[in-house]
Amino acid sequence: EAQVTQNPRYLITVTGKKLTVTCSQNMNHEYMSWYRQDPGLGLRQIYYSMNVEVTDKGDVPEGYKVSRKEKRNFPLILESPSPNQTSLYFCASSTRQGPEAFFGQGTRLTVV
Amino acid sequence: QQQVKQSPQSLIVQKGGIPIINCAYENTAFDYFPWYQQFPGKGPALLIAIRPDVSEKKEGRFTISFNKSAKQFSLHIMDSQPGDSATYFCAAQGGTALIFGKGTTLSVSS
Repeated sequence: EAQVTQNPRYLITVTGKKLTVTCSQNMNHEYMSWYRQDPGLGLRQIYYSMNVEVTDKGDVPEGYKVSRKEKRNFPLILESPSPNQTSLYFCASSTRQGPEAFFGQGTRLTVV
Repeated sequence: QQQVKQSPQSLIVQKGGIPIINCAYENTAFDYFPWYQQFPGKGPALLIAIRPDVSEKKEGRFTISFNKSAKQFSLHIMDSQPGDSATYFCAAQGGTALIFGKGTTLSVSS
């Protein structure tokens, strides 16, 4: 089954404790991205990657890091999480030509 | 700045009604305009999409109307059902950019 898998689905952590949210896709897609979803703000892109070892900032990259060492994986790293990063996070993938983006199930992160 | 403005923020209709969600964009370089549907606890999923050389596209009960000169597009849901209750996002895509509107929460009452 074609899918984008995120882990964990739910995470509660404390301010400053480094965490990683994993994302994996099995569709051999070149393009992957991370979004955060907040009430009234819609989906805002954090980072995207056009292929292995190629990443770039989206609209709200502050406080986040990503890496793309393998085509199928695109982890999101919060090195020092803060409460304003409490949000619902989605990973998405698509072919280079697009246009359809396939989304994961989401990770609900709470930073206290 | 690239933006996609979506309205209304929320919408309540009765079963059988025709909710309409509107979006406007600024960047004429966008060449693909998808709508995504999101149910609670799920990720967004592509519902229907249109390219700017077409003024209307229909898939089942869902129709996109596109006005290139006005840089506006809208989603119409015919004969709406309680199962259509969800959050709908319009988006505009061009190159590597996929810009989403802020979403419309639709509630269809039975």
